[in-house]
Amino acid sequence: DGGITQSPKYLFRKEGQNVTLSCEQNLNHDAMYWYRQDPGQGLRLIYYSQIVNDFQKGDIAEGYSVSREKKESFPLTVTSAQKNPTAFYLCASSEGFAYTDTQYFGPGTRLTVL
Amino acid sequence: AQSVAQPEDQVNVAEGNPLTVKCTYSVSGNPYLFWYVQYPNRGLQFLLKYITGDNLVKGSYGFEAEFNKSQTSFHLKKPSALVSDSALYFCAVSDPMNRDDKIIFGKGTRLHILP
Repeated sequence: DGGITQSPKYLFRKEGQNVTLSCEQNLNHDAMYWYRQDPGQGLRLIYYSQIVNDFQKGDIAEGYSVSREKKESFPLTVTSAQKNPTAFYLCASSEGFAYTDTQYFGPGTRLTVL
Repeated sequence: AQSVAQPEDQVNVAEGNPLTVKCTYSVSGNPYLFWYVQYPNRGLQFLLKYITGDNLVKGSYGFEAEFNKSQTSFHLKKPSALVSDSALYFCAVSDPMNRDDKIIFGKGTRLHILP
């Protein structure tokens, strides 16, 4: 899992709560990403950031928010507006935001709504 | 729009036999192709990528993949499977002609190596 850390590993949320998932990288990468993984659906992009203080919505951004105040940090907040948040969340980073850049992934956070 | 398909949800191979995990793609221009592996409850690990040049790409853990432009495929291969190769494998593609500039992942193929 390289130099990307995610915390917590497991997270339980009650209905109506906002929760924040942490992602930190020490690879000095410019670009960072958040994906959601559901069984049989592969990875779906939630948000991505090419540089500090800038981020764009991915394919399934509704109910999520992010910030990129520091190069090494890209936290994801799952809001109460996300109707089905139970999933495995993966953070990734890449050196740049080019078609050829390899993405490196953290170990993931498994979120369960009670 | 670009797309990637992994036609098999699961592949079973006996230990010591060669293995193939299939991937096909659709892009406007020349694709950039990637393979990743995921072990249970872990993040994805990069195996290899094709950007340009030799159609046969060698990667980590003895894996290789062959880019076939005419068949729009990028199958992952290994000459002799190990039980430890059992995992979920993802193919991914990016399309330089696509202004969205994102990598698209397949749905994954679960590889079971039988001892």
